[in-house]
Amino acid sequence: TQTVSQSDAHVTVFEGDSVELRCNYSYGGSIYLSWYIQHHGHGLQFLLKYYSGNPVVQGVNGFEAEFSKSDSSFHLRKASVHWSDSAVYFCAVSASNNRIFFGDGTQLVVKP
Amino acid sequence: GGIITQTPKFLIGQEGQKLTLKCQQNFNHDTMYWYRQDSGKGLRLIYYSITENDLQKGDLSEGYDASREKKSSFSLTVTSAQKNEMAVFLCASSISGNTLYFGEGSRLIVV
Repeated sequence: TQTVSQSDAHVTVFEGDSVELRCNYSYGGSIYLSWYIQHHGHGLQFLLKYYSGNPVVQGVNGFEAEFSKSDSSFHLRKASVHWSDSAVYFCAVSASNNRIFFGDGTQLVVKP
Repeated sequence: GGIITQTPKFLIGQEGQKLTLKCQQNFNHDTMYWYRQDSGKGLRLIYYSITENDLQKGDLSEGYDASREKKSSFSLTVTSAQKNEMAVFLCASSISGNTLYFGEGSRLIVV
């Protein structure tokens, strides 16, 4: 059974702070790992993904994520957050059968 | 760029009623998905389809039917609406199941 775990339901930081949103997964096969962002009242938007190669992948708006096979993790980071980054962030695992599993999401609040 | 259009944005129905949500995409993607998102929660897969006329059950398919009669469209039917399934339903499409493009969502309200 594939699982995606986002340990923090809520994260609050101040504008200009760095942030890391955590994601751990369990899956035995070959997978894609992705992060998505959801602003209130909208659908999800793709941020970045990892399949192979350099374990640090860059996404839009200064986001990056690092894959760790030993930790089964794919944490999302941003060096300096802006108030507009306030949203819910979802980690996702894509299996070879086209099924995509999502974590429960992390609500990021950026205070001015 | 393409777009995914979900209709209606709000679907209001009575308990026990059969209700249908529609989704259209012009990306020419093969795979389409329906997810349910309860308030403040993650996404749960209801149905997905890897090509026209294909249907695959997700983890939450009981109480739902789906139809993929054309490559560009994927509809979801709630067979008997219940008050405890008021949620946002999200449609998405992808080329090969690794990057999803989502619609804006349809909110189901059962009165």
